[in-house]
Amino acid sequence: DGGITQSPKYLFRKEGQNVTLSCEQNLNHDAMYWYRQDPGQGLRLIYYSQIVNDFQKGDIAEGYSVSREKKESFPLTVTSAQKNPTAFYLCASRYRDNEQFFGPGTRLTVL
Amino acid sequence: GENVEQHPSTLSVQEGDSAVIKCTYSDSASNYFPWYKQELGKRPQLIIDIRSNVGEKKDQRIAVTLNKTAKHFSLHITETQPEDSAVYFCAATANTGNQFYFGTGTSLTVIP
Repeated sequence: DGGITQSPKYLFRKEGQNVTLSCEQNLNHDAMYWYRQDPGQGLRLIYYSQIVNDFQKGDIAEGYSVSREKKESFPLTVTSAQKNPTAFYLCASRYRDNEQFFGPGTRLTVL
Repeated sequence: GENVEQHPSTLSVQEGDSAVIKCTYSDSASNYFPWYKQELGKRPQLIIDIRSNVGEKKDQRIAVTLNKTAKHFSLHITETQPEDSAVYFCAATANTGNQFYFGTGTSLTVIP
């Protein structure tokens, strides 16, 4: 469980605001991922990064942006272009060809 | 790309009975198949995984089987307990590309 953290745990956004979700890992993992989970739904990939300074769009990248300036950090920005951002956001990391480890999640609510 | 289908979406069993969840995948290049358990409001956690060079793997009450020819894999939980109640996700990935493809989840309820 330990080694990958997300903050904040709860986040409230007003319409038209950009917000940034933090994801940090000290596991020395190269690959990092962002998923969105809606109530009663599965995991949908937003963005992923295999190495520093490189990232790829997932299935639902529109309205989101990421950066990967450091191996340990992969922040996700939810922009005002994302019209329905209320969801549970999960960050994950992976070492080589092993399993993904998930962070505890951030629950984002639009007011 | 890969497409992973998972069935059933909900499953209720009596305590002590067995539970089976099935997943199919489409990409023959997929070679790693993890299963995750997610309790309400929590993060998914790995419970068991299998690689394509193995047909079956067991860990106490949990087992996973893989049929590469038919492109399906299954999670088996024996002697179910109330604490097994959760949502279970299967996933598939080929090591090239690094992207995981998840099933839509199975909500398992174990009735005491």
